[in-house]
Amino acid sequence: GAVVSQHPSWVICKSGTSVKIECRSLDFQATTMFWYRQFPKQSLMLMATSNEGSKATYEQGVEKDKFLINHASLTLSTLTVTSAHPEDSSFYICSARPPGTHVSNQPQHFGDGTRLSIL
Amino acid sequence: QKEVEQNSGPLSVPEGAIASLNCTYSDRGSQSFFWYRQYSGKSPELIMFIYSNGDKEDGRFTAQLNKASQYVSLLIRDSQPSDSATYLCAVNGLPSGGYQKVTFGIGTKLQVIP
Repeated sequence: GAVVSQHPSWVICKSGTSVKIECRSLDFQATTMFWYRQFPKQSLMLMATSNEGSKATYEQGVEKDKFLINHASLTLSTLTVTSAHPEDSSFYICSARPPGTHVSNQPQHFGDGTRLSIL
Repeated sequence: QKEVEQNSGPLSVPEGAIASLNCTYSDRGSQSFFWYRQYSGKSPELIMFIYSNGDKEDGRFTAQLNKASQYVSLLIRDSQPSDSATYLCAVNGLPSGGYQKVTFGIGTKLQVIP
């Protein structure tokens, strides 16, 4: 099945640090990838949609200057949390959807997630 | 009204029983529906997807879709302790702004008691 790799899996850093998270689709090309955030005991919340070759589409309430997204190739999207603060501590998960005739019906496949802890 | 609603649970069932997980959605134009399983501290993994009204079976899992009533359910037969996890319902809506957005429910926590 489709595989999505996310790295790193766990980050602990000081407040004010910028953290980059990578998301790779290993066996398919993904023109679109998705970045989610999940706080404890809450559902997945879509932060932004990463589009290869164009700007990311951010959900309402998500600061695009704080959460920088770059979709440099058809297999790689990165999320950079700039000047991270303790309130940014969360579980960040990326996903990608394999291409298909009816892309709307293709399920998303998730990376393993990145647990970010800001001290 | 939330776009995708699930009872957060926990839903407790004895080992070997059938677990029934339910989900309702508000967008009548929704086209595809997914069930994911998420273990604590892990990312979601796809269990099943369904597009058409009726039942779809895969091993011990059966997804049921009723578009007229706007609900989708997941049945787990012969529940095992390893099935204990949070089950997320996800709904893919109509295209908007050039892409389609998948909305997740809060998830139902299932506990299978040995």
